[in-house]
Amino acid sequence: SAVISQKPSRDICQRGTSLTIQCQVDSQVTMMFWYRQQPGQSLTLIATANQGSEATYESGFVIDKFPISRPNLTFSTLTVSNMSPEDSSIYLCSVHTESSYNEQFFGPGTRLTVL
Amino acid sequence: GEDVEQSLFLSVREGDSSVINCTYTDSSSTYLYWYKQEPGAGLQLLTYIFSNMDMKQDQRLTVLLNKKDKHLSLRIADTQTGDSAIYFCAEKKGGSYIPTFGRGTSLIVHP
Repeated sequence: SAVISQKPSRDICQRGTSLTIQCQVDSQVTMMFWYRQQPGQSLTLIATANQGSEATYESGFVIDKFPISRPNLTFSTLTVSNMSPEDSSIYLCSVHTESSYNEQFFGPGTRLTVL
Repeated sequence: GEDVEQSLFLSVREGDSSVINCTYTDSSSTYLYWYKQEPGAGLQLLTYIFSNMDMKQDQRLTVLLNKKDKHLSLRIADTQTGDSAIYFCAEKKGGSYIPTFGRGTSLIVHP
């Protein structure tokens, strides 16, 4: 299993500013992901955080808006840049483990409100 | 349409059974999951089923899979107020690390 912590747990930010969300895992994992969960919507994958190289972004998400770092196998950050109210959402860090059923573990999420 | 579909809300009385339904479109899905998200928390894996299984029971939880209709259900027996949460259905193809999630079903349990 994997225990994931995220900081901050929530924040209220002003339009035009940026926020960096941290994700820490208690064990080394190969795959780390960042998701967005908007109210009443499914989880949307933003990107796969790759250790030592640039993140792999899904369609509709770009590095300039959501820069991601992954300096090692237990830590990653997601920055939400130049925020607008449309960025208000829950951002979830997730890791994949090679268990018998390929479980994906999720952090508690960061609830972001942009005014 | 969406790849994984769920109804958005379900309301049940405490002590009754809850049945949450999900349909998916990809017949090559190999893993199917149910996740639970309590208020202010991340997603917690409740149970899973391989695509070659029809049913799986785990204490109060029963998962039924109808591969022909691509229909998955989660039955919670003796539903308690602590079961109030959002339940996400997810499917994943073999060889893929990334599951596809439904929009979640908000289960409300009232006395």
